Amino acid sequence: DTEVTQTPKHLVMGMTNKKSLKCEQHMGHRAMYWYKQKAKKPPELMFVYSYEKLSINESVPSRFSPECPNSSLLNLHLHALQPEDSALYLCASSQGRGGGVTGELFFGEGSRLTVL
Amino acid sequence: GEDVEQSLFLSVREGDSSVINCTYTDSSSTYLYWYKQEPGAGLQLLTYIFSNMDMKQDQRLTVLLNKKDKHLSLRIADTQTGDSAIYFCAGGSGGSYIPTFGRGTSLIVHP
Repeated sequence: DTEVTQTPKHLVMGMTNKKSLKCEQHMGHRAMYWYKQKAKKPPELMFVYSYEKLSINESVPSRFSPECPNSSLLNLHLHALQPEDSALYLCASSQGRGGGVTGELFFGEGSRLTVL
Repeated sequence: GEDVEQSLFLSVREGDSSVINCTYTDSSSTYLYWYKQEPGAGLQLLTYIFSNMDMKQDQRLTVLLNKKDKHLSLRIADTQTGDSAIYFCAGGSGGSYIPTFGRGTSLIVHP
């Protein structure tokens, strides 16, 4: 199983809502990532978890709150978002902190978020 | 941090070779990657090259690295319509393996 599964695929929320994005992998990977991708732009790193501990936060606003309940799961809790937060949110995983032999990240298909 | 630049579009005929170019700024990048993103899908690692290599060939793919000019290219031989996608160049910033992506080159293959 080389899949990273993200749910939901699409999410529409108001600025006062609280919602969560979920990500799951069963490859035994110990590093998990959240990226944000706006239209026609490259993915931008948001957070990195290594061995279930937050190791990188790229100065992301606190309205985005990551959580790693166990080594297979990664959540992104959303609260009081702005319309400019509308984007494709990509989850990825890799073998351990060093990315394995190749540094390869395995990406999910993404959750497309629209904030009204 | 790493800054990666690539041209935005490339259009080729089926059967021709495609060459996608990329420049990067961080000379300490240990890994340099090419990822592919098909419509509605996540990114998939196509190939990578270590910074101590000049060239890597993997079936139809050839990666060339010019460290002096900080230039990376991806050549796809015998390009097929199924190769139509966005190709992202990425470098590991500060010697990290975590990729910093360029804006992506949209490859369009005409029959």
